[in-house]
Amino acid sequence: DTGVSQDPRHKITKRGQNVTFRCDPISEHNRLYWYRQTLGQGPEFLTYFQNEAQLEKSRLLSDRFSAERPKGSFSTLEIQRTEQGDSAMYLCASSLGVIGDDEQFFGPGTRLTVL
Amino acid sequence: QKEVEQDPGPLSVPEGAIVSLNCTYSNSAFQYFMWYRQYSRKGPELLMYTYSSGNKEDGRFTAQVDKSSKYISLFIRDSQPSDSATYLCAMSANTGGFKTIFGAGTRLFVKA
Repeated sequence: DTGVSQDPRHKITKRGQNVTFRCDPISEHNRLYWYRQTLGQGPEFLTYFQNEAQLEKSRLLSDRFSAERPKGSFSTLEIQRTEQGDSAMYLCASSLGVIGDDEQFFGPGTRLTVL
Repeated sequence: QKEVEQDPGPLSVPEGAIVSLNCTYSNSAFQYFMWYRQYSRKGPELLMYTYSSGNKEDGRFTAQVDKSSKYISLFIRDSQPSDSATYLCAMSANTGGFKTIFGAGTRLFVKA
């Protein structure tokens, strides 16, 4: 399977705990995006990487959130001191990064539940 | 006001009907327009990708963009029960940021 993969698919944690999610993009894609989606809403942009450089971050990405893409391949999203409001689906997408043809392909998402 | 507005539905149609899904937007800088299909508890799947104004057809799907009215549409012909899903419009500006803004999604039910 050469699509975008995410791990874990589901995560249940207690409030105050730290969680980390992983995303493996399509191998030749140099752009990687993180989104958050809550029930009944579309995905909300969190951040994106061009290779290993984090080029843009949404104001939704509070200080408790950090994302890395250390070698320009896989990426991790960490949430520290989780809150119940962090419960959502966290989606990763990747793209080639070609102007005029920058289609984003999404992974299956990680569903986070904070108790 | 949200940058992208989309009626959440639900929209229920009989099998074989023509479905029309729409979004409006406020940011005139948007140049790239997409439609995604999302099944329950799955990631979005790209259906159509268009640049600027005009129409694009792919099988039973037709996407239309009217930049003068800031209005985009997706038409599904001969709808099937397997088309039952949430349809998300999305768009981004040609400013180098490549941040994509999504609509809230319209839930579609196609009854057999």
